[in-house]
Amino acid sequence: KNQVEQSPQSLIILEGKNCTLQCNYTVSPFSNLRWYKQDTGRGPVSLTIMTFSENTKSNGRYTATLDADTKQSSLHITASQLSDSASYICVVSAGNNFNKFYFGSGTKLNVKP
Amino acid sequence: DAMVIQNPRYQVTQFGKPVTLSCSQTLNHNVMYWYQQKSSQAPKLLFHYYDKDFNNEADTPDNFQSRRPNTSFCFLDIRSPGLGDAAMYLCATSRDRLAGVETQYFGPGTRLLVL
Repeated sequence: KNQVEQSPQSLIILEGKNCTLQCNYTVSPFSNLRWYKQDTGRGPVSLTIMTFSENTKSNGRYTATLDADTKQSSLHITASQLSDSASYICVVSAGNNFNKFYFGSGTKLNVKP
Repeated sequence: DAMVIQNPRYQVTQFGKPVTLSCSQTLNHNVMYWYQQKSSQAPKLLFHYYDKDFNNEADTPDNFQSRRPNTSFCFLDIRSPGLGDAAMYLCATSRDRLAGVETQYFGPGTRLLVL
């Protein structure tokens, strides 16, 4: 069964600290993996997109990693800011033509001053 | 400048009263998507248009319909809203299908309340 599991469900950190969010998937065949940031009451915003051959991709203070062998991805946030408080959603695409994509349930991050 | 625009941002309707949500885009993208997102859950794809080609997800209820009269606009029609249809409805676009590294752009969403 194609699934995307994210952990932790929620996380509280202090401003300035680093954190890592996890995404494990069983989606096959794998096409690409995306991380989105969703502020409360807003639509998701794309952070990174990685294909099978990519191990790491950065977008400012956000760094995503992908291990296609173990089917795991992580999103590392460096020097967190209050504005990083949001839900982070991992989405894995399957297939060759139009992708079927599978959403994780997200990690809710709260950055406190 | 807003690229994916959704109107209204908040919509209140009565149980069983048809409602239409609107999405427009200034990106000239081929693909438009409608998602339903309930509180603390991930977005759930309802359907998408690839140009004029409509693609319904297998588990999307018949109560949900969509129209795309031109490239820029896409509408979500809920024929007889039930209490369980209260949710955030997200519209998204992409230049092409998400086969590779196409970016998907989301609108701000319309929050639907059913009384």
